[in-house]
Amino acid sequence: EAGVAQSPRYKIIEKRQSVAFWCNPISGHATLYWYQQILGQGPKLLIQFQNNGVVDDSQLPKDRFSAERLKGVDSTLKIQPAKLEDSAVYLCASSSRQGRDEQYFGPGTRLTVT
Amino acid sequence: QQPVQSPQAVILREGEDAVINCSSSKALYSVHWYRQKHGEAPVFLMILLKGGEQKGHDKISASFNEKKQQSSLYLTASQLSYSGTYFCGTETTGGFKTIFGAGTRLFVKA
Repeated sequence: EAGVAQSPRYKIIEKRQSVAFWCNPISGHATLYWYQQILGQGPKLLIQFQNNGVVDDSQLPKDRFSAERLKGVDSTLKIQPAKLEDSAVYLCASSSRQGRDEQYFGPGTRLTVT
Repeated sequence: QQPVQSPQAVILREGEDAVINCSSSKALYSVHWYRQKHGEAPVFLMILLKGGEQKGHDKISASFNEKKQQSSLYLTASQLSYSGTYFCGTETTGGFKTIFGAGTRLFVKA
């Protein structure tokens, strides 16, 4: 079974530029999560999708971050414009059920904003 | 509300035991445990769904005290491969999202 795929693996941009991350979950997994993990901290949920609907985006900075999951499969997360404090690893995860199930994480995208 | 993990870090010799605690101020439905090695993604260890339930896998087990809103992860006879950061993730009653703690850094030396 293929795991969660993410791209790119690394990205370096200047502040005020835009960036997009892509995630393809495990086939058949209805729930998709985007987390932000700052060095030395635990993953922080940015947005959670159930199929192509948003379940929770309470911690997504909506003035600069956006995410979509068209057709309930793969997803993109965009930052526009980026700030220095956005430097982090962005993890995508998926699970077969909402909440009460193990989450499978992708390798992550390490973003550096200079 | 982010769960609180303790200790923040622990150093063990191979073969020693360790306990990592996770507590929440809110009523919990489930607790997840993950391990993350440096530069890698978190990997699922176990999930506890019922109060007072203990689950185990090899020499790693966990308990969940629903009344105290606490969970503990037990690592027995630690191996070098146990090194990494352990995160608990909690899910509150009625909620569907997992909130992760700040992590406990575990280092096992030979």
